[in-house]
Amino acid sequence: GAGVSQSPSNKVTEKGKDVELRCDPISGHTALYWYRQSLGQGLEFLIYFQGNSAPDKSGLPSDRFSAERTGGSVSTLTIQRTQQEDSAVYLCASTGRWDGANVLTFGAGSRLTVL
Amino acid sequence: GNSVTQMEGPVTLSEEAFLTINCTYTATGYPSLFWYVQYPGEGLQLLLKATKADDKGSNKGFEATYRKETTSFHLEKGSVQVSDSAVYFCALGRSETGNQFYFGTGTSLTVIP
Repeated sequence: GAGVSQSPSNKVTEKGKDVELRCDPISGHTALYWYRQSLGQGLEFLIYFQGNSAPDKSGLPSDRFSAERTGGSVSTLTIQRTQQEDSAVYLCASTGRWDGANVLTFGAGSRLTVL
Repeated sequence: GNSVTQMEGPVTLSEEAFLTINCTYTATGYPSLFWYVQYPGEGLQLLLKATKADDKGSNKGFEATYRKETTSFHLEKGSVQVSDSAVYFCALGRSETGNQFYFGTGTSLTVIP
């Protein structure tokens, strides 16, 4: 597609429920990132996928968080048994090559509110 | 390791004032350097980049020069507008396996008429 697409744009859920957030990267981009941005805070790296390599999961905050990327394209971030501290904007980005550098292109984000 | 340190905000300026947001980095080798901008309610957008020492990135009146001797990539604009109100993130990128990007904590800019 023309840009990185994320859905849903907003999700309100109750504490303890599971949620899935979807990211559709730019066609042809082999690398995909998930970040978390809490209110008024910077970016927290969560997970990174590169082609068929094993993902870098070093940023996932707990085992309630998991992500997969099917067919090297669409990715789903799953949060199990959501907690109030999971409330944040979840940003997805994919990388493409531009003018000698790998450049991140971000989606608009999925805002998660856990009540 | 790799890290980015940027000026803490928030920053409030009057329209047409000069803007500087400081950014320094720690990295081995030769990373690429970026400034991203996040307007209210939106995702991050690439503002400008530089890929090697002494390169100057520029876009929309903003500039930043890759200074290897001072490991800095300060963002400047000569005359800010109300529409520049946003959060600005400095970042470095590495061409290596694993997580390649490291972001600063962001600097919030508000421009008042």
